[in-house]
Amino acid sequence: ETGVTQTPRHLVMGMTNKKSLKCEQHLGHNAMYWYKQSAKKPLELMFVYSLEERVENNSVPSRFSPECPNSSHLFLHLHTLQPEDSALYLCASSQGAHDPGELFFGEGSRLTVL
Amino acid sequence: GQQVMQIPQYQHVQEGEDFTTYCNSSTTLSNIQWYKQRPGGHPVFLIQLVKSGEVKKQKRLTFQFGEAKKNSSLHITATQTTDVGTYFCAGYNNNDMRFGAGTRLTVKP
Repeated sequence: ETGVTQTPRHLVMGMTNKKSLKCEQHLGHNAMYWYKQSAKKPLELMFVYSLEERVENNSVPSRFSPECPNSSHLFLHLHTLQPEDSALYLCASSQGAHDPGELFFGEGSRLTVL
Repeated sequence: GQQVMQIPQYQHVQEGEDFTTYCNSSTTLSNIQWYKQRPGGHPVFLIQLVKSGEVKKQKRLTFQFGEAKKNSSLHITATQTTDVGTYFCAGYNNNDMRFGAGTRLTVKP
């Protein structure tokens, strides 16, 4: 139990589907992150939220849409994805976004786009 | 922008042998972190190094931060099968944290 819970753990979707990934942290942290992990690539930072405000968006395609309704919850809305978007999507949290210290990762959502 | 290179990409050792992974940054870092990800698992924080030349130990693991704060290493003494997984470094500077691609360690019993 990491204190960061992600659902669903596995998701298969077609390119025309709309789905959402959910992340919840129970650690009282103020910053939350979405990372993409593909085979043989470094972890790619997608979005950072600090106190529910987006502070970074690393040129992520608009077919990925984040939402942070409060400091404990983070969503990643998926729409019209491509097969190359298949990956493990990891949510993480930290005490703050500036010099964050330890990142606490969830177990990830394994996404397959057909 | 900042880049973090990690080598080797893979390392296969016999149980009991030592293992080292190296991390190099293109820019000077404020700090560096190390994470371990077991097969099928998620990254788990191991340690953070902040000071130039810092050395920290956790049982059989020794972490070093270079004098110039641009490189770091993780050394495991006498590997065990429980050490299998991918080890990532993550360098932080100027509101930018970059992960290395990781070193995947396999251990033969």
